[in-house]
Amino acid sequence: GAVVSQHPSWVICKSGTSVKIECRSLDFQATTMFWYRQFPKQSLMLMATSNEGSKATYEQGVEKDKFLINHASLTLSTLTVTSAHPEDSSFYICSAPLFVNEQFFGPGTRLTVL
Amino acid sequence: KQEVTQIPAALSVPEGENLVLNCSFTDSAIYNLQWFRQDPGKGLTSLLLIQSSQREQTSGRLNASLDKSSGRSTLYIAASQPGDSATYLCAVAHLGQLTFGSGTQLTVLP
Repeated sequence: GAVVSQHPSWVICKSGTSVKIECRSLDFQATTMFWYRQFPKQSLMLMATSNEGSKATYEQGVEKDKFLINHASLTLSTLTVTSAHPEDSSFYICSAPLFVNEQFFGPGTRLTVL
Repeated sequence: KQEVTQIPAALSVPEGENLVLNCSFTDSAIYNLQWFRQDPGKGLTSLLLIQSSQREQTSGRLNASLDKSSGRSTLYIAASQPGDSATYLCAVAHLGQLTFGSGTQLTVLP
């Protein structure tokens, strides 16, 4: 149990386009999901907390208009990178808690912006 | 603000050696601490989770300890194998959020 999936696993796009990444909890419901970003050779940094039925909470320094988060249902959260630029190229990972203070992670999405 | 530090940043050992990875955190008010493994270009694999009330957890060749009062955790890997080569991350949980360390990149040489 407690499986989290992400789609796509990798994506390459041109600068200026938008990219949508999906995060799904497959066998449990999650009113909250977390989005992380990981640059090469660095650790995971929390970008935002996705809340079902309400607005996402963004960490300091993360542009909410650039990284649009929609928690459409109890099993799906989406992250849309709008007007992507090469500096947005990164590894994006989502997670969902099954228990308080225990998160289960998706396999990640590698975004490359040309 | 919670800060998590892992040392060393990289470690290379010959196969069969026992090794210890270190993790320290600045705020001892944590709910749990978790060790993850990350292979290149991949997501996270949870290895061990230690609740704040626990001192250690074991799984196979892995043993993780937690000293909450001193803000430290160690991950002990016995009889290392080349397949153990990966980046190991520790993360502490507080108020539903995780704070990650920067990781230790482990290479086990055959």
